[in-house]
Amino acid sequence: EVQLVESGGGLIQPGGSLRLSCAASGFTFSYYNMNWVRHAPGKGLEWVAFISSGTTTTYYADSVKGRFTISRDDAKNSLYLQMNSLRDEDTAVYYCARETSYYESIGRTDLPYFDYWGQGTLVTVSS
Amino acid sequence: DIQMTQSPSSLSASVGDRVTITCRASQTISRYLNWYQQKPGKAPKLLIFAASILQRGVPSRFSGSGSGSDFTLTISSLQPEDFATYSCQQSYSTPPYTFGQGTKLEI
Repeated sequence: EVQLVESGGGLIQPGGSLRLSCAASGFTFSYYNMNWVRHAPGKGLEWVAFISSGTTTTYYADSVKGRFTISRDDAKNSLYLQMNSLRDEDTAVYYCARETSYYESIGRTDLPYFDYWGQGTLVTVSS
Repeated sequence: DIQMTQSPSSLSASVGDRVTITCRASQTISRYLNWYQQKPGKAPKLLIFAASILQRGVPSRFSGSGSGSDFTLTISSLQPEDFATYSCQQSYSTPPYTFGQGTKLEI
């Protein structure tokens, strides 16, 4: 059974740092691209960061670029999000999500989607 | 970046109703469109990927359609457990994988 379990959230003051972790099990973690998505109170889902299998490529939302760093340790089946210079607007539930893709033969292309999500960890940035 | 706009933002319906939610992309995204359902305090759940393919285990009353920049999610006959927030997501090209703002489906 695929499982993703986030941890590391909590209450932090503005300007502070926090490191989120996501423990993966039930699948070959190293084969998959992984993502972080957040859900702020009263708002829609916001994609935050992506890391490819093999750790060769990372992408970030403009709202976190330069402050957050996504990483992974395939030996530990773990995904991380280092969050620095935290702001009030970073308050949200943070989810890790496994990315897989559907191969469409007509266009010979892969269509990515998030098939498994963790239960989320709450980050509250407040003084 | 590609912007995703859902309508309506909220919707009141009754058990047994047919409901349609629309999602429009700011540029053409072919069929790189996914739909998720989220209930309060729970993680999002994948319903449909590649615009119209039903995820394993999702009831057949859910369906998706569209290509290019206009997409729809349809629930053919609402059940009590369907009252939730629905979000579209584009996954065209490289990230960012932007989401729509969500549609809250209420009784």
